[in-house]
Amino acid sequence: AQKVTQAQTEISVVEKEDVTLDCVYETRDTTYYLFWYKQPPSGELVFLIRRNSFDEQNEISGRYSWNFQKSTSSFNFTITASQVVDSAVYFCALSEAQGTGRRALTFGSGTRLQVQP
Amino acid sequence: EAGVAQSPRYKIIEKRQSVAFWCNPISGHATLYWYQQILGQGPKLLIQFQNNGVVDDSQLPKDRFSAERLKGVDSTLKIQPAKLEDSAVYLCASSLVRTGRTNEQFFGPGTRLTVL
Repeated sequence: AQKVTQAQTEISVVEKEDVTLDCVYETRDTTYYLFWYKQPPSGELVFLIRRNSFDEQNEISGRYSWNFQKSTSSFNFTITASQVVDSAVYFCALSEAQGTGRRALTFGSGTRLQVQP
Repeated sequence: EAGVAQSPRYKIIEKRQSVAFWCNPISGHATLYWYQQILGQGPKLLIQFQNNGVVDDSQLPKDRFSAERLKGVDSTLKIQPAKLEDSAVYLCASSLVRTGRTNEQFFGPGTRLTVL
């Protein structure tokens, strides 16, 4: 069975601080995908990134960066120089990549990020 | 490109009543998902369709929940009868199908259901 753990329930930072959101996952699959989604107060889930299990290269997109470490089953997300608009709930999710065709996401419980001005 | 559409956005009913939600996925997306998101939790899959066939409904409470996707496009999710614990946001998502790949899912705005 798949499981995603986001141990940080809520984080509060002051604008311009860097913040890292932790994600630890469990799966028996050898091939899988990891995702991060953002859920702002409006409620709609916004896709941020997809990473497959064969690609451990870290990725940077503007102020966002992701650190995938297969050895520790972690896929952490860092926001550099946080802004008030980053305030949202962030979800880490896991999906199988082959076989049965089941592509549903297994989500963590989310981390609520509050960026204070 | 239009996103995933859902209606209604909000619904308040009393327990034991029935309710239905509608979803229109992004054009061309063969895979459609219904998720339930209880307050303070991550979304949990209820059912996955590929075209008009069910791929995974293992977590759907079939004694009260049903879903269909006629003609492989729009989908409806029904609850009959509703219980208090069904209060949640019901999210619809869709994705493309590409052989050997798992693709990002695009989510609709959700329907917030309150059962009194």
